[in-house]
Amino acid sequence: GQQLNQSPQSMFIQEGEDVSMNCTSSSIFNTWLWYKQDPGEGPVLLIALYKAGELTSNGRLTAQFGITRKDSFLNISASIPSDVGIYFCAGQPLQGAQKLVFGQGTRLTINP
Amino acid sequence: KAGVTQTPRYLIKTRGQQVTLSCSPISGHRSVSWYQQTPGQGLQFLFEYFSETQRNKGNFPGRFSGRQFSNSRSEMNVSTLELGDSALYLCASSPGQLREQYFGPGTRLTVT
Repeated sequence: GQQLNQSPQSMFIQEGEDVSMNCTSSSIFNTWLWYKQDPGEGPVLLIALYKAGELTSNGRLTAQFGITRKDSFLNISASIPSDVGIYFCAGQPLQGAQKLVFGQGTRLTINP
Repeated sequence: KAGVTQTPRYLIKTRGQQVTLSCSPISGHRSVSWYQQTPGQGLQFLFEYFSETQRNKGNFPGRFSGRQFSNSRSEMNVSTLELGDSALYLCASSPGQLREQYFGPGTRLTVT
């Protein structure tokens, strides 16, 4: 089945540093979504990408839909304590309609 | 607009019992998807409903079923519960096909 490889699995950074994470797949995806999940809560949508090559920002967050349609990255600039959490990439495969395939998540820890 | 709501938030059941979880989507959203989240398997797609019809189904046994009502509210049922069904069950709503999905807070099911 389709899988998304998300890396890194965890990150330990200092407050103020920039963060970069990415997802890759062997299959083509039609849509890429990035979510953040806090403990005990549902994932919160951060950025949605619909076109290959699309670069979208949401405040300090920037994400891009890879040209090959098989990858996406998320950057967080000038990290702050509330950025702590687990970040997930999710893709909608061309044939899968509303079915989302998720990456394994990147756990972000920030040292003050 | 109010977000996706799920009830109950927490549930404890005994092996062999059945359970019904409820989801109310964002007003105007007609697509509702269900996901299971566990530490070992991550986020896995269960099924998706649109206009009271199941459009997509994941690789889960028949003990997992769902339905959608005319007001787009959805329920998920798990029969003959097993210990391995303990998980966070997440509902997500979407305004349309291949668009972003918004998650509810989830129902934490514990099977003892």
